[in-house]
Amino acid sequence: EAGVVQSPRYKIIEKKQPVAFWCNPISGHNTLYWYRQNLGQGPELLIRYENEEAVDDSQLPKDRFSAERLKGVDSTLKIQPAELGDSAVYLCASSLETGGTYEQYFGPGTRLTVT
Amino acid sequence: RKEVEQDPGPFNVPEGATVAFNCTYSNSASQSFFWYRQDCRKEPKLLMSVYSSGNEDGRFTAQLNRASQYISLLIRDSKLSDSATYLCVVNGTNAGKSTFGDGTTLTVKP
Repeated sequence: EAGVVQSPRYKIIEKKQPVAFWCNPISGHNTLYWYRQNLGQGPELLIRYENEEAVDDSQLPKDRFSAERLKGVDSTLKIQPAELGDSAVYLCASSLETGGTYEQYFGPGTRLTVT
Repeated sequence: RKEVEQDPGPFNVPEGATVAFNCTYSNSASQSFFWYRQDCRKEPKLLMSVYSSGNEDGRFTAQLNRASQYISLLIRDSKLSDSATYLCVVNGTNAGKSTFGDGTTLTVKP
């Protein structure tokens, strides 16, 4: 079974430029997460989708970040314009609710460097 | 105070040692708990779920103490390949919402 797919794996951009990340979850997983992980810290949730509905976007900096999950399958996370502080690894994860629990499976991440 | 806190580490242990990590959480209504393992420059991978009665998977034992609001991970007979960062994850009353700790780094030395 294919895992969570993310692209690109690496991205280097100048500040004020836009950037987009793409994620394809594990087939059948209706919950999709976007996380940001800074060095030495745990992943921080940006947004969580149940199918195509964003059910938790309280940590998403909405002035510059946007996300969509059309058709409830793959998803795109966008930053416009990027700032130096956005340099981090952006992780996508998916899960299938089983007995009230959500075991998450992560993609390899996109390592973003803003210069 | 963070919602999920872990031992700061790093833990440096010899092969064959037993090592334990703790993780405390602040939301008493938290519903489910997990340990993830993250290798350097890789994504987190699920190590094990933590059940109320405690659970064991080979050399790994996870326990939950709801009264004191902490979970633990015990690794017996440490292997070099156990070297990684171990992340504690707590799901809140909205079961799909996960909060990660900042991780504890383990280095197993020959």
